[in-house]
Amino acid sequence: GENVEQHPSTLSVQEGDSAVIKCTYSDSASNYFPWYKQELGKRPQLIIDIRSNVGEKKDQRIAVTLNKTAKHFSLHITETQPEDSAVYFCAASRAGYSTLTFGKGTMLLVSP
Amino acid sequence: NAGVMQNPRHLVRRRGQEARLRCSPMKGHSHVYWYRQLPEEGLKFMVYLQKENIIDESGMPKERFSAEFPKEGPSILRIQQVVRGDSAAYFCASSPPASGSVEQYFGPGTRLTVT
Repeated sequence: GENVEQHPSTLSVQEGDSAVIKCTYSDSASNYFPWYKQELGKRPQLIIDIRSNVGEKKDQRIAVTLNKTAKHFSLHITETQPEDSAVYFCAASRAGYSTLTFGKGTMLLVSP
Repeated sequence: NAGVMQNPRHLVRRRGQEARLRCSPMKGHSHVYWYRQLPEEGLKFMVYLQKENIIDESGMPKERFSAEFPKEGPSILRIQQVVRGDSAAYFCASSPPASGSVEQYFGPGTRLTVT
């Protein structure tokens, strides 16, 4: 089955810096890669996703890149703000399947 | 437009009791997924259901756990004879009817504590 590795497990940045979280996946048949943000005690919220037919997608301060050959994808957050502090999860889904395999999460702490 | 609803939000059960967790998908969504999240860990897939059908239960323990999504009413995740190791947050997600990979939207979760 699919295996998703996520790094780093924790990331501390100063407000205004950029943050990058990286994930690798094992199943070359995976074609859908969402990112979720989970604040303490809250539900995971979909913040951005990418499909395997594109290499990059951007939405304001967040962007995701995908390298199919290397089987890795990354989340980039620019101009970080304290409210970006949360746990971020990457996930992958195989073509034709709906279930998601998640990474173990990255705790992002943005200090003012 | 209501999001995914789950109840109860918190559930305390003694060892050996049964736990029933409910999930109502977003309006227009007919696919439901259940995930379990242990403290400081990621989300682990348990089961994927469509109305009256279990599509994939590969992540669900073979014993004590069952799930259903009847024609009418919410999806139910049932845990019989709970043990301390069942303590976790259980999230359901829903997605619209479509083939292949689609966006999943999560409910607020049920935090189960087994004493």
